[in-house]
Amino acid sequence: QVQLQESGPGLVKPSETLSLTCAVSGYSISSGYYWGWIRQPPGKGLEWIGSIYHSGSTYYNPSLKSRVTISVDTSKNQFSLKLSSVTAADTAVYYCARPLYSSSWYSLFDYWGQGTLVTVSS
Amino acid sequence: DIQMTQSPSTLSASVGDRVTITCRASQSISSWLAWYQQKPGKAPKLLIYKASSLESGVPSRFSGSGSGTEFTLTISSLQPDDFATYYCQQYNSYSSSLTFGGGTKVEIK
Repeated sequence: QVQLQESGPGLVKPSETLSLTCAVSGYSISSGYYWGWIRQPPGKGLEWIGSIYHSGSTYYNPSLKSRVTISVDTSKNQFSLKLSSVTAADTAVYYCARPLYSSSWYSLFDYWGQGTLVTVSS
Repeated sequence: DIQMTQSPSTLSASVGDRVTITCRASQSISSWLAWYQQKPGKAPKLLIYKASSLESGVPSRFSGSGSGTEFTLTISSLQPDDFATYYCQQYNSYSSSLTFGGGTKVEIK
């Protein structure tokens, strides 16, 4: 059974960089899939942030692309998100997820982490 | 970007009701549409993919239809466990991004 678990600071100061890691168990990242990050501001809808393949190939939401970096560490079976220059608008629950289709970045997601709330505040 | 618009944003219904939620895409996405159910404090759960394919383990009272720009999620007989928020998501290969609808909250009438 594939399991994903997000981790990272729950509080980030404005203008700083948000950093989260998603640890994957039950499946080897090196075997495939574009692993994704999705966020959800409190009381609002879902927003795709970006996705990464085990090779390091990335696709980002154009609206966030200038501030986002997603990386992968196959040796630790995990992938990470960095979002720079954060503001209060970046306060959200951040989810990591695995898509249904193994070789496409344009996919829906069938396995999700539990999500982690990141608050941007001084 | 392809914009996804869901309606209604809130829906009040009773147990046993037939419920229909609509999702419209700003341009054709063929059948590349998914539906999710989300309960408070939980991650979204996949219900339907490719517009009408039922995810394994999802009750048959859920069904999806549509293609192009207009899609519907139907719950044939609403159960207590179905009170939640539902989201659509497009995953068309011609889009530069994956996008979700704004959500439809199904409340107890």
